[in-house]
Amino acid sequence: DGGITQSPKYLFRKEGQNVTLSCEQNLNHDAMYWYRQDPGQGLRLIYYSQIVNDFQKGDIAEGYSVSREKKESFPLTVTSAQKNPTAFYLCASRLAGEETQYFGPGTRLLVL
Amino acid sequence: GENVEQHPSTLSVQEGDSAVIKCTYSDSASNYFPWYKQELGKGPQLIIDIRSNVGEKKDQRIAVTLNKTAKHFSLHITETQPEDSAVYFCAANNYGGSQGNLIFGKGTKLSVKP
Repeated sequence: DGGITQSPKYLFRKEGQNVTLSCEQNLNHDAMYWYRQDPGQGLRLIYYSQIVNDFQKGDIAEGYSVSREKKESFPLTVTSAQKNPTAFYLCASRLAGEETQYFGPGTRLLVL
Repeated sequence: GENVEQHPSTLSVQEGDSAVIKCTYSDSASNYFPWYKQELGKGPQLIIDIRSNVGEKKDQRIAVTLNKTAKHFSLHITETQPEDSAVYFCAANNYGGSQGNLIFGKGTKLSVKP
């Protein structure tokens, strides 16, 4: 069953804690993306990676970090430096040479 | 860089009526325009897309039109059904910036009343 999976579906963060959101795809896509979604704000790009071992900051990268050690995985860490982390986080992927991005089901992060 | 504006932010129609959502973009180099549907608590799903070499594309009850001169594109849903209720996002590729990246509008919440 091919697709993009994100886990967990819900995640709770305590003050000063780093948390990591998982994104895995078995579509053999080359590029992967992380977006943050807030009500009325649309989708804002956090980080993206075009190939393994390379990634670039998006529009709102402060307080976040990523890694791309494997083609199929692109985890996002929300650090304690991100002061307003409550949001819906979406991962997407794209095949090189094509334009369409495909999204995972999302992770909702809440602060305790 | 590219900027995409989407209107209206909310849209309410009666079942069976048509719905139209409009987007404008700023970068004339953009050449790919997808539309996504997002149901509550789920990730966006691609419903239709259009490239700049065509002016219109249809898929059953859904159509997208593109006016390159005016730099705007629209989503048309005919014979709306309650299951069409969702948030719809338009996007344009950031051709002038990092190729492959999409710039999204802020979304339109469509409500179809039975």
